[in-house]
Amino acid sequence: SAVISQKPSRDICQRGTSLTIQCQVDSQVTMMFWYRQQPGQSLTLIATANQGSEATYESGFVIDKFPISRPNLTFSTLTVSNMSPEDSSIYLCSVPVPRTGGSTNNEQFFGPGTRLTVL
Amino acid sequence: GQQVMQIPQYQHVQEGEDFTTYCNSSTTLSNIQWYKQRPGGHPVFLIQLVKSGEVKKQKRLTFQFGEAKKNSSLHITATQTTDVGTYFCAGDFGNEKLTFGTGTRLTIIP
Repeated sequence: SAVISQKPSRDICQRGTSLTIQCQVDSQVTMMFWYRQQPGQSLTLIATANQGSEATYESGFVIDKFPISRPNLTFSTLTVSNMSPEDSSIYLCSVPVPRTGGSTNNEQFFGPGTRLTVL
Repeated sequence: GQQVMQIPQYQHVQEGEDFTTYCNSSTTLSNIQWYKQRPGGHPVFLIQLVKSGEVKKQKRLTFQFGEAKKNSSLHITATQTTDVGTYFCAGDFGNEKLTFGTGTRLTIIP
C-alpha cells in the first residue's frame, strides 16, 4: 500500500489566478497520475508524471494550463493556471503500487484530493 | 477513443436488497479494477480482475470479468448502510493508465 498526502485539501480562488497542488507519497514510485473529478462526475486523467522526464498529457489537457513538476520519486505538483469557474473540481493524485511477485498489473492508491472552487 | 460505460447511473435500494452495477468497455481490457468512493471521500481500490471469465468474492461483494474481457459486474448481496457510495469500474487497456467508468451511485433506504 501507499500513504499519499495532498496540499491544500481545499481552496477558494479568484478567476485568473493560479494554484499549485502538492502530492507527497511515503514511498518511491515511478509514475504518478493526476486526475480531475468535476462535481458529480467520474475521474478524468489529466496527465502522467514521470520522474526525470516531461509529463504526458491526455487529450484535452495541455502543459500551459496544467504544468506539472516531478522533482523526485516521492513528490509531484500540479498547477492549475489562469483559473476560471470551469476549473472548479476535485484534483486527485494517485500512484500505482506494484503487487508482490513483480506483477505489472498495478492497483492505484489515491490521495485525499484537493477541492478547488474558482469564483 | 477508449471508453468505459457503467449502468445504472443511480441505484436506490432498500437495506437488505441486492445491488448490481455493470461495466462495459469499447475494446478489450488488460485488466479491470473496481473502486468505491464514499461521499466526500476519494476512490478506494476494491479489487482487480485479470483473467477472462474471472470471478472474485469479498464477503458480500462478487466481481465478474467477462469472457471477452470487455465487460464486468459488481454484485452486492443484502446491502447495508455502509455500502453507500459511488462504485467505479476502471479499465486498463494495457498501458497501466486507468480509464474510469461513469460510476454508479448507490443509496440505501433504511
